[in-house]
Amino acid sequence: EVQLLESGGGLAQPGGSLRLSCVVSGLTFSSYAMSWVRQAPGKGLEWVSVISDSGGRTYYADSVKGRFTISRDNSKNTLYLQMNSLRAEDTALYYCAKHTTYNHDWYHFDYWGQGTRVTVSS
Amino acid sequence: DIQMTQSPSTLSASVGDRVTITCRASQSIRSWLAWYQQKPRKAPNVLIYKVSSLEGGVPSRFSGSGSGTEFTLTISSLQPDDFATYYCQQYDSYPYTFGQGTKLEIK
Repeated sequence: EVQLLESGGGLAQPGGSLRLSCVVSGLTFSSYAMSWVRQAPGKGLEWVSVISDSGGRTYYADSVKGRFTISRDNSKNTLYLQMNSLRAEDTALYYCAKHTTYNHDWYHFDYWGQGTRVTVSS
Repeated sequence: DIQMTQSPSTLSASVGDRVTITCRASQSIRSWLAWYQQKPRKAPNVLIYKVSSLEGGVPSRFSGSGSGTEFTLTISSLQPDDFATYYCQQYDSYPYTFGQGTKLEIK
């Protein structure tokens, strides 16, 4: 059974930092691209960032570019999101999501974690 | 960025109804469109990918169609479990973008 388990959320002050983790089991983690997707309270889904299966390619939403860094440790089956210079508008439930991946190209999300909540407030 | 616009935002329907949700892209996304269902306090689940391919385990009452910039999700006969929020998503180019969601409510 494929499982994605996020952690690391919590309360941070504006300008502060948090590091989210997502441990993946039930598949060969190093074969799949992974993304972070967030959902502000009562709002829709917003894609945040993607990382390729090897970790060599990353892309970001403009809203987080320069502040957030996605990374992965394939030896630990773990995806990360380092969040710096946090703003109130970063308050959301953060999901990690697995992409269907073929020949190092990735497509839709086929598995999601249950999310970890980030609140940015003074 | 590619804007995805869903309509309607809210849809009231009854069990057994046939319902259609529309998603329009601000530019062509070829066939790189997925539909997700989200229930309260749960993560989204993929229903349809590449416009019309049904994800494994998803009931056949769900179907997708369209091309280029206009797409539809159809539920042929609503079941009680289908009342949820539905999102379209393009994965043609970065940033990936979602529609604003369609909340399907019980009439």
